Amino acid sequence: QKEVEQNSGPLSVPEGAIASLNCTYSDRGSQSFFWYRQYSGKSPELIMSIYSNGDKEDGRFTAQLNKASQYVSLLIRDSQPSDSATYLCAVTAGGTSYGKLTFGQGTILTVHP
Amino acid sequence: GAVVSQHPSRVICKSGTSVKIECRSLDFQATTMFWYRQFPKQSLMLMATSNEGSKATYEQGVEKDKFLINHASLTLSTLTVTSAHPEDSSFYICSAGTGGNEQYFGPGTRLTVT
Repeated sequence: QKEVEQNSGPLSVPEGAIASLNCTYSDRGSQSFFWYRQYSGKSPELIMSIYSNGDKEDGRFTAQLNKASQYVSLLIRDSQPSDSATYLCAVTAGGTSYGKLTFGQGTILTVHP
Repeated sequence: GAVVSQHPSRVICKSGTSVKIECRSLDFQATTMFWYRQFPKQSLMLMATSNEGSKATYEQGVEKDKFLINHASLTLSTLTVTSAHPEDSSFYICSAGTGGNEQYFGPGTRLTVT
């Protein structure tokens, strides 16, 4: 069983729509949750971090965390073609593995004009 | 802030040779740096955790004698791929933590072994 799971997509949304990306994780001791954006051939770029249950908003991005359901999501409002990329969900473990990131396989998002 | 650089960005080497990749935190001190490898159309796989002044901790299945990691200062970690083979061709990415939970990634090094 994969530790961090994402729907690989591709997810295609029209420009201006809301893109919804989902992620589940298996380690209940996970402490920190991140969303990274990765353009083809480039390294990941941190776009959101979330540590406690609920919603966190930053511009057009909203991260949602539900630790009871072991679920974290990312909403992108007013999607733009420049948002087209692979979105990686990453989780840090607790305990002795502090700081280590485990990545999901990524969801490919395409925003079409 | 939180800028991480890598050098070189791209390298081609012959099978059997060694290649060194540098990772630097430019505007902060990083007690911990991480090295990842990413094959085409796959996610990032953690290879090792590098702590300043101590030995690196390698993930299961990663050969520590093949992938030598040195973290000699709070701003520099190096990864040396020894006796490289074509199957080592990959995108190698480092990241550094600022002391909190967030990690910032370098731009990556694309290694091609011929």
